[in-house]
Amino acid sequence: LAKTTQPISMDSYEGQEVNITCSHNNIATNDYITWYQQFPSQGPRFIIQGYKTKVTNEVASLFIPADRKSSTLSLPRVSLSDTAVYYCLVGGAYSGAGSYQLTFGKGTKLSVIP
Amino acid sequence: ETGVTQTPRHLVMGMTNKKSLKCEQHLGHNAMYWYKQSAKKPLELMFVYSLEERVENNSVPSRFSPECPNSSHLFLHLHTLQPEDSALYLCASSQDKRGLAGGEQFFGPGTRLTVL
Repeated sequence: LAKTTQPISMDSYEGQEVNITCSHNNIATNDYITWYQQFPSQGPRFIIQGYKTKVTNEVASLFIPADRKSSTLSLPRVSLSDTAVYYCLVGGAYSGAGSYQLTFGKGTKLSVIP
Repeated sequence: ETGVTQTPRHLVMGMTNKKSLKCEQHLGHNAMYWYKQSAKKPLELMFVYSLEERVENNSVPSRFSPECPNSSHLFLHLHTLQPEDSALYLCASSQDKRGLAGGEQFFGPGTRLTVL
């Protein structure tokens, strides 16, 4: 079961690029890496998913090194509305034993300062 | 609005009560999930149903009983809960590809459960 580690909190000024790293040393071969954003009193919202190298969409980029033991979520030019908790999720591949292991990190609380 | 609804949004129950949480997804997805989110703890996956068949049960106590009558509805039946079961219970759905669960998951707003 992949265990994930993220920084507890980060602060950033508006307009800056923010990089949040998640460590997942025992990621399995077929596991994917997914990032979610959560605002208070709401369910998490999907940001981006990747397997290796780099993935980019309209809101973020995800960098995954060759060994896949970590991943970095990059948010370009953050605004106040990006203040939220960001979770890294590892897993999803069917293990063949009737199990999909999905492990969330404890989350990183990002505070964007004006 | 994510296309996943949960009722009730808030629930207070005694330890001897029996209650049920309901989740409905309007996205045509083939997989549904129950998660527990406690204060200062990461999201914990409780159950996964893919194509209406339970494929994941992360050693959840038997006082939690899931039911998935069809691909759009998911229930979590609760009985004889403990105060430490107080938490936010989140439902999610996804369209799973062959051999992979947990693709882009769409979460409901959650049910805030308090056990007295």
